[in-house]
Amino acid sequence: GDSVTQMEGPVTLSEEAFLTINCTYTATGYPSLFWYVQYPGEGLQLLLKATKADDKGSNKGFEATYRKETTSFHLEKGSVQVSDSAVYFCALKRETSGSRLTFGEGTQLTVNP
Amino acid sequence: KAGVTQTPRYLIKTRGQQVTLSCSPISGHRSVSWYQQTPGQGLQFLFEYFSETQRNKGNFPGRFSGRQFSNSRSEMNVSTLELGDSALYLCASSLFGGDTQYFGPGTRLTVL
Repeated sequence: GDSVTQMEGPVTLSEEAFLTINCTYTATGYPSLFWYVQYPGEGLQLLLKATKADDKGSNKGFEATYRKETTSFHLEKGSVQVSDSAVYFCALKRETSGSRLTFGEGTQLTVNP
Repeated sequence: KAGVTQTPRYLIKTRGQQVTLSCSPISGHRSVSWYQQTPGQGLQFLFEYFSETQRNKGNFPGRFSGRQFSNSRSEMNVSTLELGDSALYLCASSLFGGDTQYFGPGTRLTVL
């Protein structure tokens, strides 16, 4: 079945540090890939997405590139801020599965001033 | 546009009881999905409704059920509650098959 694996957390960085959160997936066909973010006490917000190989999703300084050859969708940001502290989820959606998302386990990011 | 709303935000129940959670999607969205979030199992898909019909179902026991009304609002019901049902239940709405899902703030269910 489909699965998403994220790097183990939690991750703690200093402000302005470079961020990478690794995400790899297993799925048949060509799924769409997503990064969602969850702030304390809130639901999930879509951060960025990519729907086909070599697409790059970007938003608020975050980027991720859909790599079919390595089945990966790593999240990066060049300079993190304290306000980026949250839990980040990688997810996939197959074209044949309606709106169903398969999520990774989540990575807690804490950014210290 | 108003976002996805879920009611109630918090619930406390005891084992054996049943509970109903409600979700109102974004106006114009006809697909509603439900997810369970727990520290141990993470985010797991429960089911998806579109046009009042269940279109997808996750791997949960029959105690978990749902429905969707003609105005696209959805409810999920859990009967004979168990301690392990304590979780954050998230609802998401989208256009059917659409790539972007919009999540509500969730209902925090505690089973004592």
